[in-house]
Amino acid sequence: DAKTTQPPSMDCAEGRAANLPCNHSTISGNEYVYWYRQIHSQGPQYIIHGLKNNETNEMASLIITEDRKSSTLILPHATLRDTAVYYCIVRVGGGADGLTFGKGTHLIIQP
Amino acid sequence: DAGVTQSPTHLIKTRGQQVTLRCSPKSGHDTVSWYQQALGQGPQFIFQYYEEEERQRGNFPDRFSGHQFPNYSSELNVNALLLGDSALYLCASSLVDQETQYFGPGTRLLVL
Repeated sequence: DAKTTQPPSMDCAEGRAANLPCNHSTISGNEYVYWYRQIHSQGPQYIIHGLKNNETNEMASLIITEDRKSSTLILPHATLRDTAVYYCIVRVGGGADGLTFGKGTHLIIQP
Repeated sequence: DAGVTQSPTHLIKTRGQQVTLRCSPKSGHDTVSWYQQALGQGPQFIFQYYEEEERQRGNFPDRFSGHQFPNYSSELNVNALLLGDSALYLCASSLVDQETQYFGPGTRLLVL
């Protein structure tokens, strides 16, 4: 079972920042927080991951709370192409385990 | 730089048949994972292959088997197909012990 909780859906206006929350209250010290997204009928796309520090890349920023029990993915200037299902996943570092996907958040960017 | 590729893109089979799906990993990657995604659900982990051996397996029956070749490409085989095997089958590649998996576009299997 997924170890994360996400809202099933969210709306955001085009050009605004989209903030997607994720709760992972049982996260262990060696587990990373990963974000993937899946645009309709395509394979999931890696966005970003982090352990405890905030992270930023060309796609998004990841803010992890100090107690690591929750995080927020930020898309700074959402476009219509960002409409997708966003998955928050926690996973032990090391690579052997498969990713455990929940149902994710369906983010709809409104024009 | 070639990404993860999968073939075929779509496939229709009947109950009881067998199917083989193929995956070529991203250039430089040595590890392949397979996932099943039913309609409206998140992907479910089937298994992972590294050095031509199954390294980790999810909660799937033995009807699901795989293989990895010396060039790191991989096959997923499903025997005795059931209607419930209808799904999008995703392949993901990575470097062993690195965190990020990169997904292919998937193969959509319909079992009638």
